[in-house]
Amino acid sequence: GAVVSQHPSWVICKSGTSVKIECRSLDFQATTMFWYRQFPKQSLMLMATSNEGSKATYEQGVEKDKFLINHASLTLSTLTVTSAHPEDSSFYICSAFKRESYNEQFFGPGTRLTVL
Amino acid sequence: GENVEQHPSTLSVQEGDSAVIKCTYSDSASNYFPWYKQELGKRPQLIIDIRSNVGEKKDQRIAVTLNKTAKHFSLHITETQPEDSAVYFCAASLNTGGFKTIFGAGTRLFVKA
Repeated sequence: GAVVSQHPSWVICKSGTSVKIECRSLDFQATTMFWYRQFPKQSLMLMATSNEGSKATYEQGVEKDKFLINHASLTLSTLTVTSAHPEDSSFYICSAFKRESYNEQFFGPGTRLTVL
Repeated sequence: GENVEQHPSTLSVQEGDSAVIKCTYSDSASNYFPWYKQELGKRPQLIIDIRSNVGEKKDQRIAVTLNKTAKHFSLHITETQPEDSAVYFCAASLNTGGFKTIFGAGTRLFVKA
């Protein structure tokens, strides 16, 4: 199998605080993970590509100092939303790339962030 | 960069009818085209995929076609059922200097009983 988990599944925080979201591949090693955000009734927008042991690659328009990504091991990537504001409220979904499955991504269940 | 367009944005069909969703992509280097079904508040679920060396693939009631020359690919669902109601996303993936997947805007499918 290929199972990806995310924690927490939902979080509510006050404006100005930081929130960390974890993405884990439970039964395989993932050298590459991806972070997406999805606003209501919209598509998944790729935010960044997380590579184990190296710096993340951010998509155009995504502030790397705002969305800190750390991929410290082959099974864990974290996304930290720093100084969160209400406009950061969204559904954040990670996925892990399993090389043996030839380009298939396995998605986590998502984290719903609400910033008050 | 890659751009994926998807149509229609909303599709309503009667149970038992077929549903067709169409996508176009811009980067000829894209070589993998997955389709996802997403229910409200849930993760996207891969329902079928096709690679650039194949023109058509079928899995029970679901089929996907790919026209590389025209950069078009389509999802066909036959004998639709109410449980097929969801949002469907097409995507195009390329692996040049790093793997990346770009999603279409999504199609909200309603299957009326």
